[in-house]
Amino acid sequence: KQEVTQIPAALSVPEGENLVLNCSFTDSAIYNLQWFRQDPGKGLTSLLLIQSSQREQTSGRLNASLDKSSGRSTLYIAASQPGDSATYLCAVRPIEGGSEKLVFGKGTKLTVNP
Amino acid sequence: NAGVTQTPKFQVLKTGQSMTLQCAQDMNHEYMSWYRQDPGMGLRLIHYSVGAGITDQGEVPNGYNVSRSTTEDFPLRLLSAAPSQTSVYFCATRTGGGGGFGEKLFFGSGTQLSVL
Repeated sequence: KQEVTQIPAALSVPEGENLVLNCSFTDSAIYNLQWFRQDPGKGLTSLLLIQSSQREQTSGRLNASLDKSSGRSTLYIAASQPGDSATYLCAVRPIEGGSEKLVFGKGTKLTVNP
Repeated sequence: NAGVTQTPKFQVLKTGQSMTLQCAQDMNHEYMSWYRQDPGMGLRLIHYSVGAGITDQGEVPNGYNVSRSTTEDFPLRLLSAAPSQTSVYFCATRTGGGGGFGEKLFFGSGTQLSVL
């Protein structure tokens, strides 16, 4: 059974710092891995998607990497800002079953202090 | 372009009551799904639809029904509410085809449901 783990559960950093969020998954048979952002009381916003054949994706100050063989992904945030404060969720789309299921981690709550 | 609209935002039910959570999208996406989010757990898939008239069960379907009569709407019905169904419910649509290649998900803002 696919499981997704995100460490740490919470992270507090000063503004301007570069930071890395970690995601690990137990089964490498995936179509893709995705990173989302969730603000309090709101839905999820898609940040980056990495297909299983890709190694990384970049969007602005965000860079996500994927090492499928080791079951790991990282989300790198450069020059963090208070507006980056949110919970970041990682999810994988398993190949098995052919269903629409995304398997989510529990998230990392990020606080960027001014 | 409203995206994905969920109603209501908050709801309190008594055990045994029934209700429908509404989800509407204006992006003409074929794929729609319902997730629940519980404290200390990741989002879990309840039901999904790959197009009008086609629905299937997700990971935690018991106690919920869905139907998809139009591309735009995907309501989630609680047949007889139980305290274990207290959760935040999210509706989502996505682009892309089977296997999720090049997909992008769009989420509604959620419905916070309490069952007493």
